[in-house]
Amino acid sequence: EVQLVESGGGLVQPGGSLRLSCAASGFTFSNSWMHWVRQAPGKGLVWVSRINTDGSSADYADSVKGRFTISRDNAKNTLYLQVNSLRAEDTAVYHCVRALGGNSDSWGQGTLVTVSS
Amino acid sequence: QSALTQPASVSGSPGQSITISCTGTSSDVGGYNSVSWYQQHPDKAPKLMIYGDSNRPSGVSNRFSGSKSGNTASLTISGLQAEDEADYYCSSYTSSTTYVFGTGTKVTVL
Repeated sequence: EVQLVESGGGLVQPGGSLRLSCAASGFTFSNSWMHWVRQAPGKGLVWVSRINTDGSSADYADSVKGRFTISRDNAKNTLYLQVNSLRAEDTAVYHCVRALGGNSDSWGQGTLVTVSS
Repeated sequence: QSALTQPASVSGSPGQSITISCTGTSSDVGGYNSVSWYQQHPDKAPKLMIYGDSNRPSGVSNRFSGSKSGNTASLTISGLQAEDEADYYCSSYTSSTTYVFGTGTKVTVL
């Protein structure tokens, strides 16, 4: 069974940083493109970033470019999102997603990031 | 990247069919066979219902179908059931090598 378990969220002040993690199991992690998608409370889904299978290539939404960095450790079956220079509008549940939009698309339950002073 | 446009809400009675539209541009919806549809119940993770414009993953009811014409994709739910009441989102790959979601549609079963 595919499992994606996010962690690392919490309350952080504006301008602060966090590192989100996503532990993957039940599939060959190193063969899957991985994504982060976020959802602000009561709002819609927003794509954040994706990374290719060996971590050599990544793409970002304009709203996070230069502040967020996606990475992965295939030996540890773990996906990361380093989030810096946080703003109030970054407050959201951050979901880890395997192969977004493909037949093997799978989502984690998410980790909540709250940016507030 | 602007969100794809969906109606805010759609409703129908049990047994009826409803259709949700998802309008983008030639740089996303119209440019790739990559529209996917997600169902999200309250406080749950989204669930893939359609991928590649019109393909249904294993385990998804055949009451759900997807189609596309030009820059507009559609999700049709036939034989509407109470359990179909949820939020629905479309998504597409874009020419900027990013992805974009729709604004979301709340489906109400009357």
